[in-house]
Amino acid sequence: KAGVTQTPRYLIKTRGQQVTLSCSPISGHRSVSWYQQTPGQGLQFLFEYFSETQRNKGNFPGRFSGRQFSNSRSEMNVSTLELGDSALYLCASSLELGGPGANVLTFGAGSRLTVL
Amino acid sequence: GQNIDQPTEMTATEGAIVQINCTYQTSGFNGLFWYQQHAGEAPTFLSYNVLDGLEEKGRFSSFLSRSKGYSYLLLKELQMKDSASYLCAVKRDSNYQLIWGAGTKLIIKP
Repeated sequence: KAGVTQTPRYLIKTRGQQVTLSCSPISGHRSVSWYQQTPGQGLQFLFEYFSETQRNKGNFPGRFSGRQFSNSRSEMNVSTLELGDSALYLCASSLELGGPGANVLTFGAGSRLTVL
Repeated sequence: GQNIDQPTEMTATEGAIVQINCTYQTSGFNGLFWYQQHAGEAPTFLSYNVLDGLEEKGRFSSFLSRSKGYSYLLLKELQMKDSASYLCAVKRDSNYQLIWGAGTKLIIKP
């Protein structure tokens, strides 16, 4: 079956612009979470969606937002881009909302954003 | 605060054994994950430990000591394809969020 699909894979923006990234989870997976990955920082949690509702949110400014559609596809948006937003944005899907136990995440290959 | 420490980079020889350590200090614990990430690719799940001890899965094994806040990933019979970053992540027991280490880049030499 198809994996997690993220689009676009690469994009270049300038400061002040906004960007929308898309994630299609594995068929049947209802939970989608987003992470920012930068060298030396590890994965930083952005937010998690389940059944079209944001269930968890990380410590990112309000410029970062997201949503989930009825087919479980998700989008995240970053407005008023800053140079520090340059990163790899990873989407991960899982069957259920994060909880106890081995709720394994399946990641997409990511969207690499460069802000100039 | 939340803190996950891993070595930044390690080098090993093809056919050898390497141990990648992960130490953590988190408020609450509900399991520890290891993921592998090849350059330019998605992270993929390797192992999950929630109880103390060693979990073996083929050439890869993962160990956990909750009292010491310590885990390691052991890779045996190293192959060139094992060159990748290895990510350690701890699940908190309050909101079940994952706290990630910065990853260990493993370089395998012939």
